[in-house]
Amino acid sequence: DVKVTQSSRYLVKRTGEKVFLECVQDMDHENMFWYRQDPGLGLRLIYFSYDVKMKEKGDIPEGYSVSREKKERFSLILESASTNQTSMYLCASSPPGWVGAEAFFGQGTRLTVV
Amino acid sequence: AQSVTQPDIHITVSEGASLELRCNYSYGATPYLFWYVQSPGQGLQLLLKYFSGDTLVQGIKGFEAEFKRSQSSFNLRKPSVHWSDAAEYFCAVGGKRGGATNKLIFGTGTLLAVQP
Repeated sequence: DVKVTQSSRYLVKRTGEKVFLECVQDMDHENMFWYRQDPGLGLRLIYFSYDVKMKEKGDIPEGYSVSREKKERFSLILESASTNQTSMYLCASSPPGWVGAEAFFGQGTRLTVV
Repeated sequence: AQSVTQPDIHITVSEGASLELRCNYSYGATPYLFWYVQSPGQGLQLLLKYFSGDTLVQGIKGFEAEFKRSQSSFNLRKPSVHWSDAAEYFCAVGGKRGGATNKLIFGTGTLLAVQP
């Protein structure tokens, strides 16, 4: 089975802190994604990566950056956390190839910024 | 622009009753459509997907969905709901391969409650 693991289930950080959310997948997938989930807004794509050291902005990249130094690991960075970044963050991975490949999700990290 | 609409934010059904969750999409080419389920505190799990061929697709947990191109819909159905089906359900469409990556575009979700 594909496994996508997010390093923390719950995080509480202070405003202005630099925050790292880590995600690791074990299926050698080329594509990895970070989504943010908020009630009534569904999942919104923050960033995605289609290869090591490659990244592209999603729909809501402001206030975030990412790092992909190894194929299996994709990190989301909040440079200076703010209260409006309190949310559930979901990491996903998918194999390359045709549009519509299934994405596999981690269990999510619920981040609270105080 | 590509988009997915789930018009029902919250639905309550009785256990044993039938279920239909609505999903409409807007997409400029052949869509690749998915339904995911999210149980409380969990990540998303794929229920079923449609790429081509038979427009009625079967998924896990007794779910099925029907693709109707003329209506731009991909509604999820289950003939008899179980209490364990209480969860949030997301419809998604496969995005274009911009930047050599296939992205999923999600709807806002439908929260399903099941009454005893």
